[in-house]
Amino acid sequence: AQKITQTQPGMFVQEKEAVTLDCTYDTSDQSYGLFWYKQPSSGEMIFLIYQGSYDEQNATEGRYSLNFQKARKSANLVISASQLGDSAMYFCAMREGLGGSSYKLIFGSGTRLLVRP
Amino acid sequence: NAGVMQNPRHLVRRRGQEARLRCSPMKGHSHVYWYRQLPEEGLKFMVYLQKENIIDESGMPKERFSAEFPKEGPSILRIQQVVRGDSAAYFCASSPASGTSNEKLFFGSGTQLSVL
Repeated sequence: AQKITQTQPGMFVQEKEAVTLDCTYDTSDQSYGLFWYKQPSSGEMIFLIYQGSYDEQNATEGRYSLNFQKARKSANLVISASQLGDSAMYFCAMREGLGGSSYKLIFGSGTRLLVRP
Repeated sequence: NAGVMQNPRHLVRRRGQEARLRCSPMKGHSHVYWYRQLPEEGLKFMVYLQKENIIDESGMPKERFSAEFPKEGPSILRIQQVVRGDSAAYFCASSPASGTSNEKLFFGSGTQLSVL
């Protein structure tokens, strides 16, 4: 069963506008963590933001914020004031069982974001 | 403070050859993870190692693939008798400890393996 679903294969956004990248997840664990990574064309994986299942508030990191809706099992990434350098693939990932020892992340299939000038 | 270092960045092999991918974790990190990314897909977990121990290899093919993380030196992902389907980007990640809820997983830049 697919545990991380990113339904938008590709997205366009105008420079300086905000964009939301969707992510839904499926888990029976009470403790889990949700991550977003950016992969530019150069290929490296860049950590953007993290949300723990017990965190009361939505995570924010600069222009990135995570819209965490636990009941809906969604963890959408919001990028404000888009820049040309934001053009990249974006991956949502989940880590189950935070008390355990494994960082076995489960990744979604990604969303390719293109920022238009 | 150097990040996770992977080499080579690109590796070309002919079918039947062996591929050896290296990963040096961040300083102070004792946990290493290998992931594989096929074109236009997300990363898939392969194996999780601590120094001298394989903790979880549930994502690694049973044949031709092996991984080690010796007491000294980098972690090695070894693929014997490569086939075209092994062509992918292989990422290594490291973490300092386990069980901490918001530990970031730091990734290297990956090794792009191309099998001719």
